[in-house]
Amino acid sequence: GAVVSQHPSWVICKSGTSVKIECRSLDFQATTMFWYRQFPKQSLMLMATSNEGSKATYEQGVEKDKFLINHASLTLSTLTVTSAHPEDSSFYICSASGDRGLAATGELFFGEGSRLTVL
Amino acid sequence: AQTVTQSQPEMSVQEAETVTLSCTYDTSESDYYLFWYKQPPSRQMILVIRQEAYKQQNATENRFSVNFQKAAKSFSLKISDSQLGDAAMYFCAYRSVNTDKLIFGTGTRLQVFP
Repeated sequence: GAVVSQHPSWVICKSGTSVKIECRSLDFQATTMFWYRQFPKQSLMLMATSNEGSKATYEQGVEKDKFLINHASLTLSTLTVTSAHPEDSSFYICSASGDRGLAATGELFFGEGSRLTVL
Repeated sequence: AQTVTQSQPEMSVQEAETVTLSCTYDTSESDYYLFWYKQPPSRQMILVIRQEAYKQQNATENRFSVNFQKAAKSFSLKISDSQLGDAAMYFCAYRSVNTDKLIFGTGTRLQVFP
């Protein structure tokens, strides 16, 4: 299957700082990327959908000024958690669709996830 | 809006036995995709099996098969000859053909005992 890579896999930061998480499609062009948040022992909650070259579409209840999403190229989307606080600590997962996978099988491809801990 | 329900928070099975995980969903659409994803302790989401709603035949992937009942909006996963490596969280997911969004159920934690 197609490969989606996330970086960093884990990050610890101080309260008030900003953290950037990258999501890259390594062997296909991702026209659409999705960012999910997962709390311990819970399901994946969609935060936003980003299309290359346009503004992200945020789900209801997600603060767009806190979670900045950029999808500047067909292989890279970034999620920046601004002025992070302990309640932002969570597992963040990206997924991608594009010229592979979705068109043929309906499948989305997931990154490995990034664990954020805000002290 | 579409919803996905997994009514079994936890299930357990003995190695080599068979287990079935339940999933129901709600939608007014006639065409869509359904998926089962596995999330092991590494947290990497792994596609187990997928089903196109327009196909009547139940999908099968080796030891994994589904029972897709479109009228009942039910999509259960059967794992045969369970192995220790099958232990994980299993998520049922729905995707409309009109949008790329995946809507996940709450998950079922599967334990496999030797």
